[in-house]
Amino acid sequence: SQQGEEDPQALSIQEGENATMNCSYKTSINNLQWYRQNSGRGLVHLILIRSNEREKHSGRLRVTLDTSKKSSSLLITASRAADTASYFCATYNYGQNFVFGPGTRLSVLP
Amino acid sequence: EAGVVQSPRYKIIEKKQPVAFWCNPISGHNTLYWYLQNLGQGPELLIRYENEEAVDDSQLPKDRFSAERLKGVDSTLKIQPAELGDSAVYLCASSLRGGLSTDTQYFGPGTRLTVL
Repeated sequence: SQQGEEDPQALSIQEGENATMNCSYKTSINNLQWYRQNSGRGLVHLILIRSNEREKHSGRLRVTLDTSKKSSSLLITASRAADTASYFCATYNYGQNFVFGPGTRLSVLP
Repeated sequence: EAGVVQSPRYKIIEKKQPVAFWCNPISGHNTLYWYLQNLGQGPELLIRYENEEAVDDSQLPKDRFSAERLKGVDSTLKIQPAELGDSAVYLCASSLRGGLSTDTQYFGPGTRLTVL
């Protein structure tokens, strides 16, 4: 079964607005990664946050991690139509493999 | 630098037929993954290779699925015989060193399988 669970399942916003997606997981992790998948394409790595980190930034992306709540959030600021995609969190626990959540489908309307 | 290459991109077969998918990882990447992705879901790991050794195949349905990675480079995933429930996208990914939890996986475009 998949460990990560993204919320919401689908999100529709206007261009220029911010988009926030959440990921919850069940067991302790070493790190958590976010990936993006455009329709009909493979996944593309966005950002990694280690278990001892609380926040990371990369361009318009901001990721937070709260290990006490076993949750992470991905914030995309000033969204663009090109950000339309599915976003997945993937957790990694040492000795195991990456486990992906079911994803959040983001639609950015022009 | 070329990315992960997969072929074919699409495959339509009738149930009980065999099917094979091919993956060529990024040059120099020791670790290769095969994932299955159902519609609206995240990828689920089928098998992970470190060079030519399958180090995790616990999720691979071994009664009908098989995989190989000869010479530790490209890999083939086979289903024989295919069932209706095998319809999905099969993704291949590679990473430099799978033993590091911070390793980034690079995904191919996938093969979309439809079993009729």
